[in-house]
Amino acid sequence: GAVVSQHPSRVICKSGTSVKIECRSLDFQATTMFWYRQFPKQSLMLMATSNEGSKATYEQGVEKDKFLINHASLTLSTLTVTSAHPEDSSFYICSARGQSGTIYFGEGSWLTVV
Amino acid sequence: KQEVTQIPAALSVPEGENLVLNCSFTDSAIYNLQWFRQDPGKGLTSLLLIQSSQREQTSGRLNASLDKSSGRSTLYIAASQPGDSATYLCAVNNAGNMLTFGGGTRLMVKP
Repeated sequence: GAVVSQHPSRVICKSGTSVKIECRSLDFQATTMFWYRQFPKQSLMLMATSNEGSKATYEQGVEKDKFLINHASLTLSTLTVTSAHPEDSSFYICSARGQSGTIYFGEGSWLTVV
Repeated sequence: KQEVTQIPAALSVPEGENLVLNCSFTDSAIYNLQWFRQDPGKGLTSLLLIQSSQREQTSGRLNASLDKSSGRSTLYIAASQPGDSATYLCAVNNAGNMLTFGGGTRLMVKP
């Protein structure tokens, strides 16, 4: 079946630095990818929707200059958390929409900012 | 705007019980509905996907139903096991795009 690979699965970074998370669709082309964030004991919240070759659409309250999303190809989208702060520590997960309309999720990335 | 609610928020049952998790949504114009499982510290595992034209889907001990007109879905787990302990998330897909998630039900199955 379709697989979405997300990397890294866990990352620790220092406050003020930037960290990049990759989301790849391994055996299908994903014209649309989604990025979610989940704080402890809360549900997943959509951060942004990215379409290949165009700018991402951010949800209200999500800073586009802080969470840079690039969807340069049909199989890769990246999320860069710039100037990370401890409050950005969270679980970030991506999903990709296949041609059938089914959405497949990556394994998620745990970000800890110290 | 679509809103998804899951009841109960937490559930603790003894092993072997059959149980039902509920999910309700406000906008019935959905593309499909998915049930996910999330283990602590792990990503999401897709359990069942129900297309808008379907009434139910079954996988092993799991059965998910969908009543689009009333905006409800249920996940039925038969003969629960301790290994079923996890958070179960319901997510609604509108127009083939983004998912709207419910708050989840944290299930604990006690041996």
